[in-house]
Amino acid sequence: QKEVEQDPGPLSVPEGAIVSLNCTYSNSAFQYFMWYRQYSRKGPELLMYTYSSGNKEDGRFTAQVDKSSKYISLFIRDSQPSDSATYLCAMSGNTGGFKTIFGAGTRLFVKA
Amino acid sequence: GAGVSQTPSNKVTEKGKYVELRCDPISGHTALYWYRQSLGQGPEFLIYFQGTGAADDSGLPNDRFFAVRPEGSVSTLKIQRTERGDSAVYLCASSLGGRTEAFFGQGTRLTVV
Repeated sequence: QKEVEQDPGPLSVPEGAIVSLNCTYSNSAFQYFMWYRQYSRKGPELLMYTYSSGNKEDGRFTAQVDKSSKYISLFIRDSQPSDSATYLCAMSGNTGGFKTIFGAGTRLFVKA
Repeated sequence: GAGVSQTPSNKVTEKGKYVELRCDPISGHTALYWYRQSLGQGPEFLIYFQGTGAADDSGLPNDRFFAVRPEGSVSTLKIQRTERGDSAVYLCASSLGGRTEAFFGQGTRLTVV
């Protein structure tokens, strides 16, 4: 079993839809949870960064962490064609700048 | 610089050759990471530097892989006797010391033929 599980999709939605992306994990030591967006042939770009459980909102993006269920989510409101990309969840467990474990990524297509 | 810079952006090499991949982190970032990403997969951790020292090299697949960061800034990932299975995108990231959110470069696409 992988430490971080993420459905690879692809996920196709119409423009304006609410998108829900999810990851589960097995390592209870994870404390830092991140979402990255990756366009084709580009490096991952940090979208959201959350410590421990709870919600965090930034514009159209909301990240949720439920440590009791070992489940994290990213919601995208009013999705746009420019949101079409691969979304990677990532997590780590140490405050000292430790290795980060990534999910496989979910490919999202937002159709105009 | 404004972001993490990796050179070259593409590298094609013959099986058995030696390659070096370079990473220039964001100025002031003491932590530097190397990852490898295969098609359809998320980045896979290779090695993490805090300053000049390798704090965690548990992700290096075998002794053909080696990385250095002699002055605590630029890092070089070195691969000896390359194999076709080494073909992937090699990503470098950096972060402020004590923070785990990392900022990535655009990657070096390595192709071993």
